[in-house]
Amino acid sequence: DAKTTQPTSMDCAEGRAANLPCNHSTISGNEYVYWYRQIHSQGPQYIIHGLKNNETNEMASLIITEDRKSSTLILPHATLRDTAVYYCIVRGLASGGSYIPTFGRGTSLIVHP
Amino acid sequence: EPEVTQTPSHQVTQMGQEVILRCVPISNHLYFYWYRQILGQKVEFLVSFYNNEISEKSEIFDDQFSVERPDGSNFTLKIRSTKLEDSAMYFCASLLLAGAQETQYFGPGTRLLVL
Repeated sequence: DAKTTQPTSMDCAEGRAANLPCNHSTISGNEYVYWYRQIHSQGPQYIIHGLKNNETNEMASLIITEDRKSSTLILPHATLRDTAVYYCIVRGLASGGSYIPTFGRGTSLIVHP
Repeated sequence: EPEVTQTPSHQVTQMGQEVILRCVPISNHLYFYWYRQILGQKVEFLVSFYNNEISEKSEIFDDQFSVERPDGSNFTLKIRSTKLEDSAMYFCASLLLAGAQETQYFGPGTRLLVL
């Protein structure tokens, strides 16, 4: 899996958009970008994933640059409950269940009132 | 929405005792995983399980650990003789298929404290 780089921490005002960047300059053509988050002491929670095109779901939007070397997770209207560690993971094709996502340190997002 | 469940939520044990952590993966999923997270540290992979056997394991997953799928629903992690350094959150995860588009779902975790 390609290595990712994320800022250690960020903060955001409640109600504003939170934009979390991730660099994955060594990503290969068949690797997807996944985002998870971990609210304190809970299990990692899937947010969104994409390959090339921008994606949106009820939780967030994912913007992937044209060269795919970086991406941004956007929480359009952050709430206090979005305070969590956000992990950007790049993963490729798996075989025989051998996929093992590697969690880095992620970005600690603090949403303040 | 289907979810991965884990029991117990908390477990306190004495060093040297055996513990069994239980997980019920999402019902139609085929791949199962255990991870741990020591307080303040990263989420670390322990083992993956498919078709009733271990498919991969990390160097953390030594002989004191074992996994089992004793029936059609449960997936267990056994630690035979716990050590102080086994104190951590243990997360179970499951995955439907082994494709790059498939999403891994995590349980809420079991907090293990070894005294």
